[in-house]
Amino acid sequence: AQSVTQLGSHVSVSEGALVLLRCNYSSSVPPYLFWYVQYPNQGLQLLLKYTTGATLVKGINGFEAEFKKSETSFHLTKPSAHMSDAAEYFCAVISKGFQKLVFGTGTRLLVSP
Amino acid sequence: KAGVTQTPRYLIKTRGQQVTLSCSPISGHRSVSWYQQTPGQGLQFLFEYFSETQRNKGNFPGRFSGRQFSNSRSEMNVSTLELGDSALYLCASSFGSGGDQETQYFGPGTRLLVL
Repeated sequence: AQSVTQLGSHVSVSEGALVLLRCNYSSSVPPYLFWYVQYPNQGLQLLLKYTTGATLVKGINGFEAEFKKSETSFHLTKPSAHMSDAAEYFCAVISKGFQKLVFGTGTRLLVSP
Repeated sequence: KAGVTQTPRYLIKTRGQQVTLSCSPISGHRSVSWYQQTPGQGLQFLFEYFSETQRNKGNFPGRFSGRQFSNSRSEMNVSTLELGDSALYLCASSFGSGGDQETQYFGPGTRLLVL
């Protein structure tokens, strides 16, 4: 069975600081990996995804993530946090050919001035 | 291109009632998936419909059901509502091919409160 672990339910950074949100996955087959962001009272917005090919994936709003198979990780980073980045972030995994996304528990990013 | 739409956005019901939620996918998408989001259980997969057929199902009781129409619009029904059914219900659409380009796009959700 697939699973996703997000370390840290809350992460606090200062505006302009590096953002690092951690995600580790468990999958018996090569996974597809996603990061979604959720703003208050809204649905999920896709930030980026990894399927095959280049392991460093660039997404929207300056975010990027690197797929590391040896570490079973897919951590999300952004060089410089902005106040508008404050939201909840979800890492998710899916198997090729299936439609069931398995989500982590989410990490709430707090950005202080 | 219009995104995924869900109606209604907010709903208040009482225990024992039933409720129907609606989801219109992105044009051209044939797969619609439903997820339940609660503070305690997080995001959990309910079921997925593709070409009017339920293709995948999560671990929810039979009170939760759905259907999909020929235009790919989907409805989700919850009968005999319980307090624990209070949640944000999210719908996601995709092409449904399962290939490398497959991505689920989410609607804004329907927030259900059961009193």
